[in-house]
Amino acid sequence: AQKITQTQPGMFVQEKEAVTLDCTYDTSDPSYGLFWYKQPSSGEMIFLIYQGSYDQQNATEGRYSLNFQKARKSANLVISASQLGDSAMYFCAMVLLGTASKLTFGTGTRLQVTL
Amino acid sequence: DAGVIQSPRHEVTEMGQEVTLRCKPISGHDYLFWYRQTMMRGLELLIYFNNNVPIDDSGMPEDRFSAKMPNASFSTLKIQPSEPRDSAVYFCASSLGGGGTDTQYFGPGTRLTVL
Repeated sequence: AQKITQTQPGMFVQEKEAVTLDCTYDTSDPSYGLFWYKQPSSGEMIFLIYQGSYDQQNATEGRYSLNFQKARKSANLVISASQLGDSAMYFCAMVLLGTASKLTFGTGTRLQVTL
Repeated sequence: DAGVIQSPRHEVTEMGQEVTLRCKPISGHDYLFWYRQTMMRGLELLIYFNNNVPIDDSGMPEDRFSAKMPNASFSTLKIQPSEPRDSAVYFCASSLGGGGTDTQYFGPGTRLTVL
């Protein structure tokens, strides 16, 4: 069974700085996808970015980028130019391709952006 | 485009009562997922449907939980009888396809409190 580990329960970053949220995963399957979701205090889950295991380049979406290191089994989320609105819980999730999208989530990292 | 719609947003009930949570997926999405989020267990997949057919209900905690999808635009998650340990946020999500590469889009969630 696959497993997602997020070792940082909480992180602080100053506004306009970059921050990296860590995510490691464990699977023996070579075909998988990795997702990051944001959960603000209002509670909804917002999709941020996706990386497939066969993708050659790291995924980017605006200020979000995914630092994908396959050999190390890590998929860290990098947020550039942090904004106050980035304060939220961030979840890393994994799915095995071809298994109909059964997402396994990590425990999350709470990010607080300060002035 | 409308996102995933869930109702009610908040539900407070007494132990032993029946609770029905509702979900309208994004139009055209073939997959629908029900998740539960608690502090102790994080985000857990309860059940998912493909083209209105339940595919995997292995995450449903016990027989008190049931889910249906009578048509492509509506699903329910029912708890009967409810217990205090069922208190959680219940999310519905939908995706265009399966196979793992399709992003799951989440609804705003229903916060259930069982007294």
